[in-house]
Amino acid sequence: QVQLQQSGAELAKPGSSVKISCKASGYTFTSYYISWIKQTTGQGLEYIGYINTGSGGTNYNEKFKGKATLTVDKSSSTAFMQLSSLTPDDSAVYYCARGGMVKHWFAYWGQGTLVTVSS
Amino acid sequence: DVVMTQTPVSLSVSLGGQVSISCRSSQSLVHNNGNTYLSWYLQKPGQSPQLLIYKVSNRFSGISDRFSGSGSGTDFTLKISRVEPDDLGVYYCGQGTQYPYTFGAGTKLELK
Repeated sequence: QVQLQQSGAELAKPGSSVKISCKASGYTFTSYYISWIKQTTGQGLEYIGYINTGSGGTNYNEKFKGKATLTVDKSSSTAFMQLSSLTPDDSAVYYCARGGMVKHWFAYWGQGTLVTVSS
Repeated sequence: DVVMTQTPVSLSVSLGGQVSISCRSSQSLVHNNGNTYLSWYLQKPGQSPQLLIYKVSNRFSGISDRFSGSGSGTDFTLKISRVEPDDLGVYYCGQGTQYPYTFGAGTKLELK
């Protein structure tokens, strides 16, 4: 069955970076895009962007350009999201998600990674 | 960005009852390929969102036929019939037509 296993919670200091992983299993990794979504109590669900796992091509929500960097390691079927220059506003749960046959909806979600930014 | 407006914010229901959730978009969700990429998700407490409905009215694999989606253009509805305890949580609509994809603020379904 399709599974997306994310890395564990992160506690980071303002100004630092974190890198979250999302390991896929149960399907051909390079056949589906992986998207990343931010969830906070105040802002709800926000779409960060997606990566074409076959080509490595990316498309970011303008709001997250310069904040998030999406990469993949095809050899381990893992997608990554690096968040840089962290501020308290980056504190959130971050999800990776895979679409159905296309990327326009999210059929499978990781369990979420809590990122807390605090000094 | 496309703004997705869900109403109501919260909903109380008796077990076995029926509810409807409305989702309106600030722009048409008809893609230039003719498809309408409106989906519905349920987030149960402490869990990730799960897909219920995609492309307005298509139930995802394993989703009960008690869930039905309808609508077109900018106006969409999710109906849940014969509500069960496992249906409780927060429902979100989401659009995948115009980039960046966006979500509604959620509707919390609670027991009366």
